[in-house]
Amino acid sequence: AQTVTQSQPEMSVQEAETVTLSCTYDTSESDYYLFWYKQPPSRQMILVIRQEAYKQQNATENRFSVNFQKAAKSFSLKISDSQLGDAAMYFCAYKPGAGSYQLTFGKGTKLSVIP
Amino acid sequence: AAGVIQSPRHLIKEKRETATLKCYPIPRHDTVYWYQQGPGQDPQFLISFYEKMQSDKGSIPDRFSAQQFSDYHSELNMSSLELGDSALYFCASSSPRGGRTEAFFGQGTRLTVV
Repeated sequence: AQTVTQSQPEMSVQEAETVTLSCTYDTSESDYYLFWYKQPPSRQMILVIRQEAYKQQNATENRFSVNFQKAAKSFSLKISDSQLGDAAMYFCAYKPGAGSYQLTFGKGTKLSVIP
Repeated sequence: AAGVIQSPRHLIKEKRETATLKCYPIPRHDTVYWYQQGPGQDPQFLISFYEKMQSDKGSIPDRFSAQQFSDYHSELNMSSLELGDSALYFCASSSPRGGRTEAFFGQGTRLTVV
């Protein structure tokens, strides 16, 4: 069974600074997808960024980028120029490749942004 | 752009009652997923449907059942409700485009069992 581990229950960052959230996962599959979801106080689950395992290039979406280390099974999220609106719970999630539609989530990291 | 619609947004039920949650996926999305998120917990996968057929089954209790209809909307039926069923229930949908690699979530239904 796949597992996703987020070792930082809480993190804080100064506004305009950079923060990195950690995620490791365990799988025996070679084809899979990784995601970071953001859940603000409204509890809406918002997709931040995704990474295909077969791609070596790290995904980026504006101020959000990932450091995907496939051999180490590590998938960290870097948020640059942090904004107050980035304050939320962040979940790392794993999805197997073709044939499965199930997401496995980590326990989440609560990010606070200090003005 | 249209998003995943869930109804109702909030629901209060008593123990041993039944509840039905509805999910309307994004137009042209053919896959629907249901997740349960308890207080302070990560979302747990319950069940998914692809083209009206069950495709994956997770930790869904036997008291729960779900189906996807011809218009692709889905319903999660919950019977003999227990206090521990109080949670936020998410529905998500994905599209054949891109191999269903992205799931878009609705705003959730908050179920409170008293």
